[in-house]
Amino acid sequence: AQSVAQPEDQVNVAEGNPLTVKCTYSVSGNPYLFWYVQYPNRGLQFLLKYITGDNLVKGSYGFEAEFNKSQTSFHLKKPSALVSDSALYFCAVPTPGGGATNKLIFGTGTLLAVQP
Amino acid sequence: ETGVTQTPRHLVMGMTNKKSLKCEQHLGHNAMYWYKQSAKKPLELMFVYNFKEQTENNSVPSRFSPECPNSSHLFLHLHTLQPEDSALYLCASSQDSGWDGGEQYFGPGTRLTVT
Repeated sequence: AQSVAQPEDQVNVAEGNPLTVKCTYSVSGNPYLFWYVQYPNRGLQFLLKYITGDNLVKGSYGFEAEFNKSQTSFHLKKPSALVSDSALYFCAVPTPGGGATNKLIFGTGTLLAVQP
Repeated sequence: ETGVTQTPRHLVMGMTNKKSLKCEQHLGHNAMYWYKQSAKKPLELMFVYNFKEQTENNSVPSRFSPECPNSSHLFLHLHTLQPEDSALYLCASSQDSGWDGGEQYFGPGTRLTVT
């Protein structure tokens, strides 16, 4: 069965410092991995995805994620955090269903708090 | 975020009321989804529609009744809800019927409170 785990409920970081939001996965077959962000009182927004290719994936708002097959991880990173990055971050994995529509399984979310 | 709109943004209803949530996508997508987001719980996929046909009902109680009259519109009809149904209900859409690596686009959600 496909699943993702986000081990941290909350990550605190000072503005200007690098940030990492962790995600580990368990999938059968080739992993397809997503990161979404949810700002307060908003819906989820797509940040980036890994399908194939380079292990370092670049996404929106200066975020990137590193796919690590040996550690089954897909951690989200940013070199320099902004206060405006404070939000809820979700890792997700799809369950391809033999032609059925995309179905995403989301992690429990990690609240990123960036202090000025 | 204007690609997927949801109305109303906030809804308070009693347990005996009947109300409907509306979702509209302006992206030309063919698949639409309803999710439930409760505090401290993972997002729960409720229903999936593909070309107006329901392809998934994730064991959702019958007090939630979805309707998809066309690929651009999705409704969630609510009746005799329970207080534990209070949550943020999110609508999403995606491009294709099959797995193509495409991301989902979410609306802002409807914050539902059942009293």
